[in-house]
Amino acid sequence: GAVVSQHPSWVICKSGTSVKIECRSLDFQATTMFWYRQFPKQSLMLMATSNEGSKATYEQGVEKDKFLINHASLTLSTLTVTSAHPEDSSFYICSATGTVTGELFFGEGSRLTVL
Amino acid sequence: DAKTTQPPSMDCAEGRAANLPCNHSTISGNEYVYWYRQIHSQGPQYIIHGLKNNETNEMASLIITEDRKSSTLILPHATLRDTAVYYCIVRNNNNDMRFGAGTRLTVKP
Repeated sequence: GAVVSQHPSWVICKSGTSVKIECRSLDFQATTMFWYRQFPKQSLMLMATSNEGSKATYEQGVEKDKFLINHASLTLSTLTVTSAHPEDSSFYICSATGTVTGELFFGEGSRLTVL
Repeated sequence: DAKTTQPPSMDCAEGRAANLPCNHSTISGNEYVYWYRQIHSQGPQYIIHGLKNNETNEMASLIITEDRKSSTLILPHATLRDTAVYYCIVRNNNNDMRFGAGTRLTVKP
């Protein structure tokens, strides 16, 4: 089946630094990718929709200048958490739509810890 | 705005069938019912989806009521590894996927 890979799987950074998370579709072309955030014991919250070659669409309450999304190719989307703070510590998950059957494939997630 | 309602938690004995209900009374005619599960600290795993007919695959069966206002995910022989949070989601194929709180299924020996 289709595979979506995220990198890194976990990252620890200092407050004020920026962190980039990559999301790749390994065996299919993904015109649309989605980014989610999940806090402990909570459900996944959609942050933004990323379309190849265009600007991402952010959900209400998500700061687009803080969470920079780039979807430059059909197999890669990146999420950059700029000037990270401890409250940005979370599990970040990406997903991409399969081309035929319509199911959404999810990456393994990236755990960000900001000290 | 998850558009689905699920019980927060359920228990199931190992080897028995696990039946997870989901209400989606406001589902539109072109929206599918999807089921995913999430094991701790992993990305969600696709289980099954359907529009109006019942569906079965190697993981589970999906039973959708005739009025499509509710559905049931059936794991025929639950194992300890099926312990996870199960999410029922309604989605148009062109739209994003929004998660509700899900059902935390605990399979007990």
